[in-house]
Amino acid sequence: DGGITQSPKYLFRKEGQNVTLSCEQNLNHDAMYWYRQDPGQGLRLIYYSQIVNDFQKGDIAEGYSVSREKKESFPLTVTSAQKNPTAFYLCASSIGSYGRLLAKNIQYFGAGTRLSVL
Amino acid sequence: AQKITQTQPGMFVQEKEAVTLDCTYDTSDQSYGLFWYKQPSSGEMIFLIYQGSYDEQNATEGRYSLNFQKARKSANLVISASQLGDSAMYFCAMREGRHGSSNTGKLIFGQGTTLQVKP
Repeated sequence: DGGITQSPKYLFRKEGQNVTLSCEQNLNHDAMYWYRQDPGQGLRLIYYSQIVNDFQKGDIAEGYSVSREKKESFPLTVTSAQKNPTAFYLCASSIGSYGRLLAKNIQYFGAGTRLSVL
Repeated sequence: AQKITQTQPGMFVQEKEAVTLDCTYDTSDQSYGLFWYKQPSSGEMIFLIYQGSYDEQNATEGRYSLNFQKARKSANLVISASQLGDSAMYFCAMREGRHGSSNTGKLIFGQGTTLQVKP
């Protein structure tokens, strides 16, 4: 089945530690996104990538880093510089932000990773 | 700046009845898209329905329909014949549709509405 796989489902970070969240898609999508969701809130964009080997900062990129070496994969690293990392992290993908169908570019989401601080 | 407002933090509906979840938006773009997502307690965001700013007809997908009033900048979600499995958080989101390198393709989300369906 085609879809987006995020792992792990739950993750615990010790103070001063970097942790990496995995996001893999087999939908052949060009664009991938990382969002952060705090309790009772909407989603905020951390990083996005519209094509392999290219990515851009979103609204809340500080303390996070990403890479996009393969089309299928867009891992997110939560660094020790992120002082308040406890949140629900969602990865999404879409066919790409181009063409006349730009606005209808539906984003499909993974099941998310819950990150907590020990 | 783009903004999505969902003014109903929580809603209750009786099973088999219809319910409307409100969404208003603010944008200066002429071309944009509006989305509704469902987030059950498991956390996954499930795409429900899409409405383009130039679409003349209101979007429908099964029991979901979108009441799109462009002049009022509202895009309310209507769920007909509510089911217990509809209990979840619902998010309205928007993306600008214009081309160009400044377009991130990102979605702007509202704060969400929690819907509870009563048996």
